[in-house]
This record gives sequence, C-alpha cells and structure tokens, in this order.
Amino acid sequence: DAGVIQSPRHEVTEMGQEVTLRCKPISGHDYLFWYRQTMMRGLELLIYFNNNVPIDDSGMPEDRFSAKMPNASFSTLKIQPSEPRDSAVYFCASSFTSSDRGFRETQYFGPGTRLLVL
Amino acid sequence: QKEVEQNSGPLSVPEGAIASLNCTYSDRVSQSFFWYRQYSGKSPELIMSIYSNGDKEDGRFTAQLNKASQYVSLLIRDSQPSDSATYLCAVNGAGANNLFFGTGTRLTVIP
Repeated sequence: DAGVIQSPRHEVTEMGQEVTLRCKPISGHDYLFWYRQTMMRGLELLIYFNNNVPIDDSGMPEDRFSAKMPNASFSTLKIQPSEPRDSAVYFCASSFTSSDRGFRETQYFGPGTRLLVL
Repeated sequence: QKEVEQNSGPLSVPEGAIASLNCTYSDRVSQSFFWYRQYSGKSPELIMSIYSNGDKEDGRFTAQLNKASQYVSLLIRDSQPSDSATYLCAVNGAGANNLFFGTGTRLTVIP
C-alpha cells in the first residue's frame, strides 16, 4: 500500500489567498484525521471523519478553516483567507477500527504539507 | 479537552544508555496509550501501544502504564544514535478514536 498521500508537500502563499490541502487515506480505512503541528503548540487535532462524516471539528481554529470528505478516498482542508499564523505543517492520518479491537488501531500519518503564509 | 503533558527536553543520553521518557494525562477514562516517534522533518510513526497497567516490551522499547497515577512512560534500552528523535505521547478516551498528543520530548543519543 502507498500509505497516506498528501499534496502538495510544500505550499508558499501570500496572506489572503485560498489554500487547499489534499489527502488520500489508506484504502479500507474508515477514519481520517487532520492535524496541525507547530513548534509552539505541538500536534493539534483539527477535525476527524468516520465513514466520510465529520465527527468532531472542535479543533478547527476558526471559520476560515473548512474540511470535506466527499468520498472514502479523498479529503480536503481549505483555508480561506490564509494568514501568516496559519503557517505550520498539516498532517493527514487514517486508521481502521475493527469490531474486536475497538479504538486501538494505529493512526498512520501522511508525509505532511508544509505551509508558509507570507 | 484531554491534556497530555511531557517534558519537552531536550534529553541527552550517551550511546548504550537507557533513555526514559515520561508522560502524564489528565483524563481518568483514557484507555489507550501510544508512543510515536518523529524524526526531524518527517511524520509521526507508531512505535508502541499499551492498554493495560504494567509493562509491555518490544525489542529495546518498554512501555509502562500506571492508570492510578495517570502516568505512562517509554524506556529505550541500549540507546542508539538512530533513536535521536522527538517522542510523542498520545492518549485517547473511552469510545473515542481521536488522539490527544503531548508536545513531545526531544531525545538526542550522543555517540
């Protein structure tokens, strides 16, 4: 399996521009997570989906952030308009929850998108 | 919000020594505990998971869990320079598949 795929790997944009980050989870995984990582705040969960349905978006910092999962193999995280404080590494992760193991499955992380907003 | 706290380090140990990484968590109902390793510029990767009180060993790694004290630790025996990385403690709660991460402890193994 190719693992979790994210694009782009690097993004440099100017303040006020729209940014769209993309993620393809591992085939067969039913959970998808979006995280943001900064030196100051560490790894923060932004939102997660189960079977394409958003379950918890309490980590989304503000209305400028939105996420969608139109199907089991694709998700987007959009920032509009972007601000310099959004500069961070954004990770997508996926996992599979088996009925007998409950919530113990490993989350597999993608390579991340390094975003710089000037 | 479930809080997970780790010493940020940096923690430096000589090659061959035991590295001890600690983590505390605030939510008593947390049931699953994970240690992720993250090399600089890379994504986190799972190295250990533990669900029951006591010790769990996997090669040079031992995870220890004490739910009464809300404490989980990771021991790395015979530390190698390749173990130099940031180690993230992660916790989830009952009936939840989302993880809460600590800010990580940066480990440097000195040859």
